[in-house]
Amino acid sequence: QKEVEQNSGPLSVPEGAIASLNCTYSDRGSQSFFWYRQYSGKSPELIMFIYSNGDKEDGRFTAQLNKASQYVSLLIRDSQPSDSATYLCAVLNTDKLIFGTGTRLQVFP
Amino acid sequence: GAGVSQTPSNKVTEKGKYVELRCDPISGHTALYWYRQSLGQGPEFLIYFQGTGAADDSGLPNDRFFAVRPEGSVSTLKIQRTERGDSAVYLCASSPTGTSVGSEQFFGPGTRLTVL
Repeated sequence: QKEVEQNSGPLSVPEGAIASLNCTYSDRGSQSFFWYRQYSGKSPELIMFIYSNGDKEDGRFTAQLNKASQYVSLLIRDSQPSDSATYLCAVLNTDKLIFGTGTRLQVFP
Repeated sequence: GAGVSQTPSNKVTEKGKYVELRCDPISGHTALYWYRQSLGQGPEFLIYFQGTGAADDSGLPNDRFFAVRPEGSVSTLKIQRTERGDSAVYLCASSPTGTSVGSEQFFGPGTRLTVL
């Protein structure tokens, strides 16, 4: 079992819709969780981090964490074509980030 | 500079050659990380520096890979006797403090290494 799992997608949503990206992790002791956005040919860019159960909102983005279910998600409201990218979930393991393979999001006009 | 910088942006080399990849972290960041990303995969951890010392090198795939950070700022990743399987994008990231909960890692633009 991989440490961090994501559906590779693509996830296609129409402009203006809510995109829901999901991630599960295997290490129950994990404390910190990160969402990165990566455009094709570019490096990962941090969107949000979360380390408490519940929701954390930042603009159009909401991160949700459920440690009991070992599940973290990212919601993108009012999706825009410019949100089309690969979204990487990462878990902090001691001193390093463990990444999932990423979910490719496509927002069509 | 404002962000993490990496040089070169692209490196093409022949199998068996030696290469050096350079990373210049955000000023004042004590923690520096190297990751490797293959096509269609997430970044894979290689090594972590806290200051001048390698605090965790558990991700280095074998002894052909070595990294240094002699003055606690710029780091160099060195790959000896390159193999075609080493072809990937090598990413460097830095963080203000390192392992504290919530500490953010900021990535550089990466070096695309191609081994022919």
